[in-house]
Amino acid sequence: NAGVTQTPKFRVLKTGQSMTLLCAQDMNHEYMYWYRQDPGMGLRLIHYSVGEGTTAKGEVPDGYNVSRLKKQNFLLGLESAAPSQTSVYFCASSYSGARMNTEAFFGQGTRLTVV
Amino acid sequence: AQKITQTQPGMFVQEKEAVTLDCTYDTSDPSYGLFWYKQPSSGEMIFLIYQGSYDQQNATEGRYSLNFQKARKSANLVISASQLGDSAMYFCAMREGRGTGGFKTIFGAGTRLFVKA
Repeated sequence: NAGVTQTPKFRVLKTGQSMTLLCAQDMNHEYMYWYRQDPGMGLRLIHYSVGEGTTAKGEVPDGYNVSRLKKQNFLLGLESAAPSQTSVYFCASSYSGARMNTEAFFGQGTRLTVV
Repeated sequence: AQKITQTQPGMFVQEKEAVTLDCTYDTSDPSYGLFWYKQPSSGEMIFLIYQGSYDQQNATEGRYSLNFQKARKSANLVISASQLGDSAMYFCAMREGRGTGGFKTIFGAGTRLFVKA
């Protein structure tokens, strides 16, 4: 049972380059999330999706785009990477938000460095 | 707007003693859920405990309990009989119900717990 899988696990980008982070879950979860984790700031929500074909902005959406073309996949794109986007990125998924007591399941994280 | 506050950047506790990690939250939605997660040095996020806004009793899961004071909007995590393996970062999180929050889950800044032998 793979759970939530993030690809890649590490990446170094040059300023201005683009990349896509892939998140895949095999638990048939409706909700998926992208967070970034920075020292002293905890996890901040970038974008999230409440179902296939839907996306919504979180707390820090600028500089990122997302797509949820398939229920099991949630992609996070950086069109023009900046050093401020150096961070650890976590994907998570959960059952429908209508069930409040459903915890989020997290991927292992992607460490991204923009130089 | 949702907000989660963890005011303790770091905490020390002696092995076998209990420790309380503080969490306060702010929401205007009457329906919400509160979560605690543990992040060890390996980096994965581990779900610990959940408390619903309408739950009458404080949640407990083994050595973890949640001291839920709804009027004060606090949801402190209590770890009893601390073990060396409890050394980790701990995050408080909240999900709102059918309100402007739209079911998204947000996290606090975290508290790093150090357990001393």
